[in-house]
Amino acid sequence: AQRVTQPEKLLSVFKGAPVELKCNYSYSGSPELFWYVQYSRQRLQLLLRHISRESIKGFTADLNKGETSFHLKKPFAQEEDSAMYYCAPSGGAQKLVFGQGTRLTINP
Amino acid sequence: DAGVIQSPRHEVTEMGQEVTLRCKPISGHNSLFWYRQTMMRGLELLIYFNNNVPIDDSGMPEDRFSAKMPNASFSTLKIQPSEPRDSAVYFCASTLRGLVGTIYFGEGSWLTVV
Repeated sequence: AQRVTQPEKLLSVFKGAPVELKCNYSYSGSPELFWYVQYSRQRLQLLLRHISRESIKGFTADLNKGETSFHLKKPFAQEEDSAMYYCAPSGGAQKLVFGQGTRLTINP
Repeated sequence: DAGVIQSPRHEVTEMGQEVTLRCKPISGHNSLFWYRQTMMRGLELLIYFNNNVPIDDSGMPEDRFSAKMPNASFSTLKIQPSEPRDSAVYFCASTLRGLVGTIYFGEGSWLTVV
């Protein structure tokens, strides 16, 4: 069965510290993977996708097929990064299944 | 485009009452999704439509929930009768079929059942 796990519901780090939000997936085949973010009082929106290999707002995410992980990282956290983050694999089906989400809080 | 439009934004209702949530997808999008967000369970996919046809409703929690998409520009999610455990934020999202990784969300409907 398709499954995505974000082990941390809450994550709190200090401004300037590195951030890593964990995501592990269990999918058949080769899924596409995405990170979505929901800032306070804003819509859920796409942050980045693994196929584009880009850095958005300083965040990167590397797909590790061996570990079936897609962790989101940023070397230096900023206060505006405080938000809810969702990992979302798409396993070829025409739907997106989200993890439980991680609420990231950046302390000043 | 104004994006995905949901109504109502907030609703408080009494247990047992019928609740209808509405969604207008982005014009031209042919896939529509209903999600439910709670602290305990995160963001759950309830149902999705392609070209107005329900494709997968396995996430609908029980028979009290129903969803329709009578045309390409409108969908409803109905709960009858409502229960306190239905309290959540309900999101509608849309995309072009095949571009499921870049779906666009509405602002959500905050439902409280007392």
